[in-house]
Amino acid sequence: GIQVEQSPPDLILQEGANSTLRCNFSDSVNNLQWFHQNPWGQLINLFYIPSGTKQNGRLSATTVATERYSLLYISSSQTTDSGVYFCAVEGFFTGGGNKLTFGTGTQLKVEL
Amino acid sequence: KAGVTQTPRYLIKTRGQQVTLSCSPISGHRSVSWYQQTPGQGLQFLFEYFSETQRNKGNFPGRFSGRQFSNSRSEMNVSTLELGDSALYLCASSPRQGNEKLFFGSGTQLSVL
Repeated sequence: GIQVEQSPPDLILQEGANSTLRCNFSDSVNNLQWFHQNPWGQLINLFYIPSGTKQNGRLSATTVATERYSLLYISSSQTTDSGVYFCAVEGFFTGGGNKLTFGTGTQLKVEL
Repeated sequence: KAGVTQTPRYLIKTRGQQVTLSCSPISGHRSVSWYQQTPGQGLQFLFEYFSETQRNKGNFPGRFSGRQFSNSRSEMNVSTLELGDSALYLCASSPRQGNEKLFFGSGTQLSVL
């Protein structure tokens, strides 16, 4: 099946700093999403972005489908950004639906 | 609009028992999928239902089963519980069959003793 690798695995930032999280995937995808899991376990959908660029406030994401990677940018980080960020994809040839393969995540901690 | 609702939030069972978890999707959403999250294996897809039909199934043993009702609510069942079934079980919903945003519930934390 499709493989999803995220980097870095861990990241510590000072409040106000910017960061870039990366997601590499091993095959063509028709579905790519970024999630933030807060300390209480809730998974929040940040972006649905199988290709192109999107922005939502301090967050933005870019997916270059032809090169099989996606980037999540966090600007002016805040302590509430702490948690685990997951990239999840569905391979182009899996037949559709919502069968997502998740990466192992980036654990982000934002300190004052 | 209410989000995805999962009940119960916490559950403690013993080996050999069975358990049923419930998920109510966002109103109007017809697709419900289930995921298991463990520290060792991460987030893994269990199965997906759309219009009461199972559309996709992950690589889990037959002890894991599910169903969807006509109002799109879904249940998953795990029979003959094993210690390794201890996990956070997450349910997600979307309006249609795929290639769109998934919205997750808060999960059910299952502990098997």
